[in-house]
Amino acid sequence: DSGVTQTPKHLITATGQRVTLRCSPRSGDLSVYWYQQSLDQGLQFLIQYYNGEERAKGNILERFSAQQFPDLHSELNLSSLELGDSALYFCASSVMGMDTQYFGPGTRLTVL
Amino acid sequence: AQSVTQPDIHITVSEGASLELRCNYSYGATPYLFWYVQSPGQGLQLLLKYFSGDTLVQGIKGFEAEFKRSQSSFNLRKPSVHWSDAAEYFCAVGRGGGADGLTFGKGTHLIIQP
Repeated sequence: DSGVTQTPKHLITATGQRVTLRCSPRSGDLSVYWYQQSLDQGLQFLIQYYNGEERAKGNILERFSAQQFPDLHSELNLSSLELGDSALYFCASSVMGMDTQYFGPGTRLTVL
Repeated sequence: AQSVTQPDIHITVSEGASLELRCNYSYGATPYLFWYVQSPGQGLQLLLKYFSGDTLVQGIKGFEAEFKRSQSSFNLRKPSVHWSDAAEYFCAVGRGGGADGLTFGKGTHLIIQP
């Protein structure tokens, strides 16, 4: 158990819908990262937040957005969902910036 | 931009045999290197990391990795594998300085033969 929690574990929805994935970092960690894992693209970095502020962006689509709240939990919002958005979404956290990232168990999103 | 190559998509090893998983990276500065393992239906667990210093790093579960700057490699090794080591292994590279996520390789699927 890494100490990073993600909810829900599974999510099934339809094309065109919007969903929100939630992540709680390890106690004391200020940075939160979101990753997408799909069969064709592999593991891809989406976005990083540090202490409530966006810190870095990766291959995140415009339909996707994230935020980090004052209690340091983070949410990833996915809208206008497409079949290709079906994937495993991981959250990771670290103490600050670039050091060891600890991953949560992931949320499996299925878009039908 | 940084990149990571794991040349072996699948590797089959007999239980008790030694293991080496290859990882090559492309990065303009001193990289931060990681190996993670993912069991089916599970998240990613950190096996070991290299930031600086001794180029041979020890990790959990009896794994080790050696950083070779001249070869841009960070290969993962284990002297004797166990059936429970069957999983997907990912090499990743990141940069220091407090920003950016990790860049992952495509992964190597390890199969253990009895």
